[in-house]
Amino acid sequence: AQSVTQLGSHVSVSEGALVLLRCNYSSSVPPYLFWYVQYPNQGLQLLLKYTSAATLVKGINGFEAEFKKSETSFHLTKPSAHMSDAAEYFCAVSDRGKLIFGQGTELSVKP
Amino acid sequence: EPEVTQTPSHQVTQMGQEVILRCVPISNHLYFYWYRQILGQKVEFLVSFYNNEISEKSEIFDDQFSVERPDGSNFTLKIRSTKLEDSAMYFCASGGTSGREETQYFGPGTRLLVL
Repeated sequence: AQSVTQLGSHVSVSEGALVLLRCNYSSSVPPYLFWYVQYPNQGLQLLLKYTSAATLVKGINGFEAEFKKSETSFHLTKPSAHMSDAAEYFCAVSDRGKLIFGQGTELSVKP
Repeated sequence: EPEVTQTPSHQVTQMGQEVILRCVPISNHLYFYWYRQILGQKVEFLVSFYNNEISEKSEIFDDQFSVERPDGSNFTLKIRSTKLEDSAMYFCASGGTSGREETQYFGPGTRLLVL
């Protein structure tokens, strides 16, 4: 069965610093992987998705993620954090259509 | 830009009461989903719906839960007799014009509180 593990329930960075949110997956088939962001009191918004076309995936708001099959990872990065990036981030894998989510990582950005 | 909408945004109910959560998916989507997120926990899949029938459901989705698409636009989740542990944020999602692996678009959620 597919599963997702997000390392670190809370990550804090300074404004302008690199953002790195970790996600490892387990899948018996080539995975479809997603990153979603949830701002306070809002729904889940798609940041980016991997569907095997390219290993480096660019998303909205300057985020990108790299699919590494050998490491079964799909970490999310952004070169320079903004205050507006403070939110909860969820990694997910598609299992025959339904999404299996990780625990989520709350990102705090310090001025 | 089309979006998924959900009503109500908040619902408070007494244990044992029935609740209906409503969703309007994006109009040309074919696959519909309900997920829930208990406070402090991960988002969990409840049920998927395609071609007017349930295509998959989780262990959480027991006989107290039902879904329907009564009029071709709305997609509802009914909980027949709510329990305290049903308190959660419920998200509707829609996706797929040609395949199940396409992106799912989420609504803003309904926060359900069972007292």
